[in-house]
Amino acid sequence: QVQLQESGPGLVKPSETLSLTCTVSGGSISSYYWSWIRQPPGKGLEWIGYIYYSGSTNYNPSLKSRVTISVDTSKNQFSLKLSSVTAADTAVYYCARGVLLWFGEKLIYYMDVWGKGTTVTVSS
Amino acid sequence: SYELTQPPSVSVSPGQTARITCSGDALPKQYAYWYQQKPGQAPVLVIYKDSERPSGIPERFSGSSSGTTVTLTISGVQAEDEADYYCQSADSSATYQVFGGGTKLTVL
Repeated sequence: QVQLQESGPGLVKPSETLSLTCTVSGGSISSYYWSWIRQPPGKGLEWIGYIYYSGSTNYNPSLKSRVTISVDTSKNQFSLKLSSVTAADTAVYYCARGVLLWFGEKLIYYMDVWGKGTTVTVSS
Repeated sequence: SYELTQPPSVSVSPGQTARITCSGDALPKQYAYWYQQKPGQAPVLVIYKDSERPSGIPERFSGSSSGTTVTLTISGVQAEDEADYYCQSADSSATYQVFGGGTKLTVL
């Protein structure tokens, strides 16, 4: 059974770079899309982006200029970097496994396995 | 930017049917997905591809689609179904993913 675990600093200073890693256990990182999602306190979910195990990426346009997602298949890990953070980036950050397929002209993309989430606070 | 609209809250009594809607202009062209999130927990996928149910999800959860609106239906609501529910889909070009604002389901 695949499990995901987020790790990284819980406190980041404004203007610095937030860095998180998601470790995949119980399965291979190959053949799936690996996603990051965040949830500010008391608010809804926001999709950040995903990476395919081969390295191709897709990001939320609203965050694209600040986001980098990378993958390390040798460690079964993928990572998130978010630059120039502000208090608005304070959130619970989740990593998730994504399934992506094309069904005719329709895209199928959903996240079927999630990590428990890690809280990141941006504060000086 | 593309948006999905959900009602902030829905309330039902145990045993009744709850319907949670999600509206978006691209929904006729893109599939929708539903997640359940209980307090302090990660979201759980309950419906994919508009109406498909993952293994392990109770049969009382179902999904449907009509035009620009998709609906999550929970038949015979139980106390354990009290949670926040989020829809997710893509923009019309399938360029990026969006979540609805979430609906808090209260079981009275």
